[in-house]
Amino acid sequence: EAGVVQSPRYKIIEKKQPVAFWCNPISGHNTLYWYLQNLGQGPELLIRYENEEAVDDSQLPKDRFSAERLKGVDSTLKIQPAELGDSAVYLCASSPGTSLGEQYFGPGTRLTVT
Amino acid sequence: AQKITQTQPGMFVQEKEAVTLDCTYDTSDQSYGLFWYKQPSSGEMIFLIYQGSYDEQNATEGRYSLNFQKARKSANLVISASQLGDSAMYFCAMRVRGYGQNFVFGPGTRLSVLP
Repeated sequence: EAGVVQSPRYKIIEKKQPVAFWCNPISGHNTLYWYLQNLGQGPELLIRYENEEAVDDSQLPKDRFSAERLKGVDSTLKIQPAELGDSAVYLCASSPGTSLGEQYFGPGTRLTVT
Repeated sequence: AQKITQTQPGMFVQEKEAVTLDCTYDTSDQSYGLFWYKQPSSGEMIFLIYQGSYDEQNATEGRYSLNFQKARKSANLVISASQLGDSAMYFCAMRVRGYGQNFVFGPGTRLSVLP
């Protein structure tokens, strides 16, 4: 079974430029998460999807961040415009449903904003 | 509020020895799950072990065991027979049914295994 796929793995952009990250969850997993992880810290939730619905986006900075999961499968997270403070690792994770089971993470995208 | 506390920023252990990584949690919900993840320097988050709040026995997975003390709200990870490959960041996390089932992560503990 394929794991959570993310691309790109690394991205370097100049500030004020747009950037997009893509995530394909494990097949059959209805719940998809986007996290931000700063160096030396734990992941922080940005947004959670149940199928195609964003059920929790309270931590998403909506002035510059947007996300979509149009067909309830893969998802895109966008930043426009990027700021220096957005440099971090962006992790995508998925889980099979509404049980209290574990989530499975992708390898992450390391973003550097110069 | 849902919160995970990991009070050990860094830990050292000698190869082949056992080590305990501390985790305490705070929730008023009765139904929750506790998780430990390992994050090597390569960056991927690897699921290690899970404990449900209603599970009566401590979870074990190979060399990993979870010392669950519900009354003290602690969920410490015990790694037996440490290996050099265990050197990594370790995160304790909680998922609460009454909190939209979102995961809350602790700040992590960096474990270094010495040869």
